[in-house]
Amino acid sequence: IAGITQAPTSQILAAGRRMTLRCTQDMRHNAMYWYRQDLGLGLRLIHYSNTAGTTGKGEVPDGYSVSRANTDDFPLTLASAVPSQTSVYFCASSLDRNQPQHFGDGTRLSIL
Amino acid sequence: AQSVTQPDIHITVSEGASLELRCNYSYGATPYLFWYVQSPGQGLQLLLKYFSGDTLVQGIKGFEAEFKRSQSSFNLRKPSVHWSDAAEYFCAVGGINSGNEKLTFGTGTRLTIIP
Repeated sequence: IAGITQAPTSQILAAGRRMTLRCTQDMRHNAMYWYRQDLGLGLRLIHYSNTAGTTGKGEVPDGYSVSRANTDDFPLTLASAVPSQTSVYFCASSLDRNQPQHFGDGTRLSIL
Repeated sequence: AQSVTQPDIHITVSEGASLELRCNYSYGATPYLFWYVQSPGQGLQLLLKYFSGDTLVQGIKGFEAEFKRSQSSFNLRKPSVHWSDAAEYFCAVGGINSGNEKLTFGTGTRLTIIP
C-alpha cells in the first residue's frame, strides 16, 4: 500500500544523544515535511523540502536538521537531544508544495 | 499574520446526533482552507479542502464544510455522527500557491461520541 513510513514508532532517548527519525514515501511526491505535535499547540512545521536536493526552515527549526538526497527519503536529525524535544513527530508529503499533504503515523519521542 | 482558531477544545455528542465543529481564520487574501482528522495513534487524514468555487464543500466520511467569508469561518458539519468519528479534528489555513510551508494549523478539537 502506497504511503509514508516513519521509523521508529516510538523511542526513549537520553538527553545529549543524537537521533535520526526516518521517513520514506513511495508516492513520488516532490514535497516533504516534518512537524512536531504538542498538546495544546497543534502541529508546528520544523523543516520542509519542496524538491529533492533543497530544504527549508519551518516555524521551529532550532535543534533539528534534515537532508533530502533523493525523492523518497527525508530524515530528521536531532544532533544533541534535549527534554523540550519530547514530542510526537509527523512526516508528511505532497505531490507539490500546493497540494494537500499525506501524513505518516508518527514517531513518539521521549527525551529523558 | 495568518491564524486559525478552533474555539472548542473538546466536544461530546451522542451517536446519531448532528455535529458542527467551529473554525475561524485570519488571512489577508483568499484563503486555502482544510479540515484534517486524526484518529488515536495515527497521522492526519484530509477530510476536505476549499480554495474557490462553491462555498459548501463535500468531503469524505459524510462531512461537509461551509466557507463564509463575511464571518471568516470554515465550520465542519456532519448530519449524523457515528462512533467511528471519535477523533481529533484540525482546521488549517494557507494561501493559494503560497505552499504548504506557509500553512497554519489550529490547535484541534477532540470529538467524543457517547452511545
